[in-house]
Amino acid sequence: DIQLTQSPSFLSASVGDRVTITCRASQGISSYLAWYQQKPGKAPKLLIYAASTLQSGVPSRFSGSGSGTEFTLTISSLQPEDFATYCCQHLNSYPLTFGGGTKVEIK
Amino acid sequence: EVQLVESGGGLVQPGGSLRLSCAASGFTFSDHYMDWVRQAPGKGLEWVGRTRNKANSYTKEYAASVKGRFTISRDDSENSLYLQMNSLKTEDTAVYYCARAGVSARYFDYWGQGTLVTVSS
Repeated sequence: DIQLTQSPSFLSASVGDRVTITCRASQGISSYLAWYQQKPGKAPKLLIYAASTLQSGVPSRFSGSGSGTEFTLTISSLQPEDFATYCCQHLNSYPLTFGGGTKVEIK
Repeated sequence: EVQLVESGGGLVQPGGSLRLSCAASGFTFSDHYMDWVRQAPGKGLEWVGRTRNKANSYTKEYAASVKGRFTISRDDSENSLYLQMNSLKTEDTAVYYCARAGVSARYFDYWGQGTLVTVSS
């Protein structure tokens, strides 16, 4: 099975900060990676798919990059509504797996 | 508007069974692969399984942790997805989400609100 390791697992940041979250795959997954945002008590929301394609309706301050085994999610200027948990997912092969999540909290 | 609404969660004893449903609306259900994902309290997301569409013979994939105990099915005439859970264990306690796979099936673009399953004696 392909393991996804996210770092950091916790991040404290201020409004306006640039934030980068990394997701590393245990083997190559091409660009079959998605990023989700989840707020407490809510379902995940798709942000990025195919490693770098912004889902319709998602603000352009979110961006994704990478291929193979290393991927990043960047928030260019953190907004109050962005404080949440972020999770990567690979869809290269079965079983599909998720990273452990990165919780972004207010500094 | 795409909507996915899960139902059927509740409290069940270890070894028991439960059937979850997911009612879909606002899109052509039969075109899409559909997935189940769960999240144990305070934990991360875990993919449970997938059903492909009619064009792909409704074939299924499952996570190892549920294979042989859980069965995914769908009724395209009712725009509904199901998860039959048997031989439930305490570690199956989680919020269960149904999710729509996007056109390429390489992402989940819509999720339901989730239904809580608690396995406890």
